[in-house]
Amino acid sequence: GNSVTQMEGPVTLSEEAFLTINCTYTATGYPSLFWYVQYPGEGLQLLLKATKADDKGSNKGFEATYRKETTSFHLEKGSVQVSDSAVYFCALSSGGSNYKLTFGKGTLLTVNP
Amino acid sequence: DAGVTQSPTHLIKTRGQHVTLRCSPISGHKSVSWYQQVLGQGPQFIFQYYEKEERGRGNFPDRFSARQFPNYSSELNVNALLLGDSALYLCASNEGARVGGAGEQYFGPGTRLTVT
Repeated sequence: GNSVTQMEGPVTLSEEAFLTINCTYTATGYPSLFWYVQYPGEGLQLLLKATKADDKGSNKGFEATYRKETTSFHLEKGSVQVSDSAVYFCALSSGGSNYKLTFGKGTLLTVNP
Repeated sequence: DAGVTQSPTHLIKTRGQHVTLRCSPISGHKSVSWYQQVLGQGPQFIFQYYEKEERGRGNFPDRFSARQFPNYSSELNVNALLLGDSALYLCASNEGARVGGAGEQYFGPGTRLTVT
């Protein structure tokens, strides 16, 4: 079945530091890949997505590249801000069951000023 | 435009009781999905409905049921509540599953259910 493995948190960084959150997946077919973000007390927001191999999703300074050979979709940001503090979830939807998302456990990011 | 809305925001129930959670999708979206998010974990898929028909069901017991109405809003029902049902219940909508579609979902703020 489908699964997503995310880097364990929590991750604590200083403002302007470089961020990487690792994500690897197992899926049938050719999944679409997503990063969602959950700010304190809120629901999930789609951060970025990629639908095929070598696609790069980007939004708000965050980037992730769909790597089929390593089944990975690592999230990166060159310079984090305090406002980026949130929980980040890697997720996939697989062509055979693209009606549902399979999520990783989430990574809590705290950015200190 | 209004996003996905859910009600109530918070709910406290006793073991053995029944609960109904409600969701209104983004205007124009015909598909609604439900997810359970236990504290410290990622959301787990419960159901998806599209055009009032169930398209998929996750690994949840029969105590969980749902339905979708002609206006595409949805209800999630949970019977015989257990302590382990305490979680954030998220509703998500999208235009509807398409072959080869990306499948992204747009989430509401959730209903926090506490079972005592």
